[in-house]
Amino acid sequence: EAGVAQSPRYKIIEKRQSVAFWCNPISGHATLYWYQQILGQGPKLLIQFQNNGVVDDSQLPKDRFSAERLKGVDSTLKIQPAKLEDSAVYLCASSFTSGGSKNIQYFGAGTRLSVL
Amino acid sequence: AQTVTQSQPEMSVQEAETVTLSCTYDTSENNYYLFWYKQPPSRQMILVIRQEAYKQQNATENRFSVNFQKAAKSFSLKISDSQLGDTAMYFCAVGAGTASKLTFGTGTRLQVTL
Repeated sequence: EAGVAQSPRYKIIEKRQSVAFWCNPISGHATLYWYQQILGQGPKLLIQFQNNGVVDDSQLPKDRFSAERLKGVDSTLKIQPAKLEDSAVYLCASSFTSGGSKNIQYFGAGTRLSVL
Repeated sequence: AQTVTQSQPEMSVQEAETVTLSCTYDTSENNYYLFWYKQPPSRQMILVIRQEAYKQQNATENRFSVNFQKAAKSFSLKISDSQLGDTAMYFCAVGAGTASKLTFGTGTRLQVTL
């Protein structure tokens, strides 16, 4: 069974530039999560999708971050314009559904973003 | 709101020995789940073990087991017969509510030495 795929693995940009990350969840997983992991910290949820609808985006900085999951499968996370403090690893995870015994999240390898 | 505290930033254990990683949490939910994830230097988070809060029996997965103390809101991970491949960051996490987003601790870096 293929795992959660993310690309690119690394990205270096200058501040005020834009960047996009892509995630393909495990087949059949309805729920998709984007986490931000700053160096030395645990992952922090940015946004959660159930199929193509947003369940929770309370910690997403909406003035610069956006995410979509148009067909309920792949997802894209965008930052525009990037700030120095956006330097982090961006992790995508997926699960069969949210809540209950099905809530085991499987993570991708992440994208390491460096903003210079 | 949920919080997770891991008070041990770094730990070291010799191969074949046993080590325990500590975790305390707080949540206002009645129905929640607790997790330990492992993050090797390659960065991919891997689920180590999961505990349903309504179950009194401690979860066990091969060399990994937990000590779940619900009243104390404590959820420690014991690794028996440590192996070099256990070297990684270990994150404790709690998931609760209908959305079941995970709240992570700051992690414990475990080094297994010869």
